[in-house]
Amino acid sequence: SQTIHQWPATLVQPVGSPLSLECTVEGTSNPNLYWYRQAAGRGLQLLFYSVGIGQISSEVPQNLSASRPQDRQFILSSKKLLLSDSGFYLCAWSSTGLRSYEQYFGPGTRLTVT
Amino acid sequence: AQSVAQPEDQVNVAEGNPLTVKCTYSVSGNPYLFWYVQYPNRGLQFLLKYITGDNLVKGSYGFEAEFNKSQTSFHLKKPSALVSDSALYFCAVRDRDAGNNRKLIWGLGTSLAVNP
Repeated sequence: SQTIHQWPATLVQPVGSPLSLECTVEGTSNPNLYWYRQAAGRGLQLLFYSVGIGQISSEVPQNLSASRPQDRQFILSSKKLLLSDSGFYLCAWSSTGLRSYEQYFGPGTRLTVT
Repeated sequence: AQSVAQPEDQVNVAEGNPLTVKCTYSVSGNPYLFWYVQYPNRGLQFLLKYITGDNLVKGSYGFEAEFNKSQTSFHLKKPSALVSDSALYFCAVRDRDAGNNRKLIWGLGTSLAVNP
């Protein structure tokens, strides 16, 4: 069966510090991968999605970047964090098969920028 | 433009009563529709989906949803609510005619509170 991991679970970082959040998927190959941010316990904002190694699409201009160095690894980064980067970051995957439909989410990372 | 509306920020229901969480959508083509649940400080869990076929779809934890094309709605229902159903519920849509675009359009979520 497929599983998705995210770490760390929680993170407190000062303004101006770098960020690296990691997401890995097991039990599937060539998944579509997604990074979302959820602010203030509500709506989901799609930040990045990837259909393959090195292929990243950015949904909103921002202080963050994403990379996919391996098929089942998706990394969210920032060189200098802003207060507004605080939030709950969720990674998700979906199959690329013809009958793929839903996305499956990881447990999330709670980021607090101080 | 594609969109999803969840018109109620919060729904309150007594334990044992039926519950409904509303969702309406707008897509240019035919929709794929989804419901997810999120417990505090957790990731989203997939509940159910409508792809094609029977308009009434059944999902996890006793939930079901009815696809109504004329009303462009996909309301989530459960015949008898449990206190443990209290959570944040998200509706999402994907345009099946959008080719390789697998992105989902999300509603803002509805907070369900089931009172004992």
